Formats: sequence, structure tokens, C-alpha cells
Amino acid sequence: DTGVSQDPRHKITKRGQNVTFRCDPISEHNRLYWYRQTLGQGPEFLTYFQNEAQLEKSRLLSDRFSAERPKGSFSTLEIQRTEQGDSAMYLCASSPPPPGLAGVETQYFGPGTRLLVL
Amino acid sequence: RKEVEQDPGPFNVPEGATVAFNCTYSNSASQSFFWYRQDCRKEPKLLMSVYSSGNEDGRFTAQLNRASQYISLLIRDSKLSDSATYLCVVITNYGGATNKLIFGTGTLLAVQP
Repeated sequence: DTGVSQDPRHKITKRGQNVTFRCDPISEHNRLYWYRQTLGQGPEFLTYFQNEAQLEKSRLLSDRFSAERPKGSFSTLEIQRTEQGDSAMYLCASSPPPPGLAGVETQYFGPGTRLLVL
Repeated sequence: RKEVEQDPGPFNVPEGATVAFNCTYSNSASQSFFWYRQDCRKEPKLLMSVYSSGNEDGRFTAQLNRASQYISLLIRDSKLSDSATYLCVVITNYGGATNKLIFGTGTLLAVQP
């Protein structure tokens, strides 16, 4: 399977614990996005990487959240001191460079990591 | 006000019916538009892009009205397998590098046998 993969698929943790999620994008996709989806809502943008550079972070990404993409391939998303409000599905998407100056690339989503904070 | 608004439904329709979903977006600078499909507990998947000229893919037709900031999706001859949440998505790129997707809440479709 050469799609976007995420690990773990499910995580249950106690409030106050730290958690880390991993995303492996499609090979040669230089763009990587993290989104968060809560029940009954559409996904919301968290952050974006182009290669190893983190170019945009949402205001949703509080100081407890940090994301990295050290070698421009896989990415990690860490949540420190988890809160019950962090319970959600965390989705990773990757895309190739856009087709031309005015083009928009297709983002391919991974299966997500479902987090439950007790 | 949310940047992308959709009726959450659910839309309960019999097999073979035609169903239409609508979506409005608030930012007139939005420049790219999509419909994504999301099955229960799965990731979103691109269904189709949406253009002002309208586009059709089999039983699915999407339309964009920039003047009204309105996007529609029409599904003809509904199948049981069409049951899913349909997410309206826009990209509003303020000249930056990010083509982040802005999602509506989604419209739930349940096709009944």
C-alpha cells in the first residue's frame, strides 16, 4: 500500500499525559498537512509543512502542540499535557507540488489517529 | 460565522432518488472548490473538484456560483453505496504557500433500500 499511513490508529490516554503521532506521506510528496476532526464537524487545519519547513500553524495549535518533519519525509505531532478537549481524530494529508503556478494539488488523507483523553 | 456552511442533514432518500446538497462560503477570495466524501470512521476522499462551468462525473454533478458564493452537488439514481457524509471544501490562499482545505461540517446522506 503506497498511501498515507498514520500510527497509531487509536490512542487512549489519561489527562495530563503526552502523546505523539506519526504520519508517513506518499513518497515524493513534499507537502504535508495535519488536520483535526471532532465529532459532527469537518476537519480543521492545524499545520502545514513544505519539505522540512513548517510554513503555517493554525491558532488551534496551542503551545501544547508541536509538529516536526525533520527530514522532509515523515512527520510527528506531539500533544503535551493532554486535555479532554483534545479528544478527536487527527488526520494527516500529503500532496505533490501543485501543477503549475495557478494549479491546486490533490491532498491525500491517511486513515487518521483517533485520540481519546480520559 | 463559519467560512463554509452546509446543512448537516441527515438526508434520508430511497434508492434511485435524486438528491442535491448545497453549500455556501463566506470569503469571496476563495478560489478552489471541492466535494469530499467521508465514510463512517474513515478518512475524507476527494469526490470531485467544482468549476464555474459545472462538471459531471457519472451520476454526480457539481456546480459553482461565484456571484452567490454557492456550491452544489447533485447525485442522480442514488445507490446504497452513496451513503456517506459529503464535505464541501474551499481553498482560500492569501498569496501564501499553504493550500489548506477549509471544510464544512458535512452533510449526511443515508440511502434506504
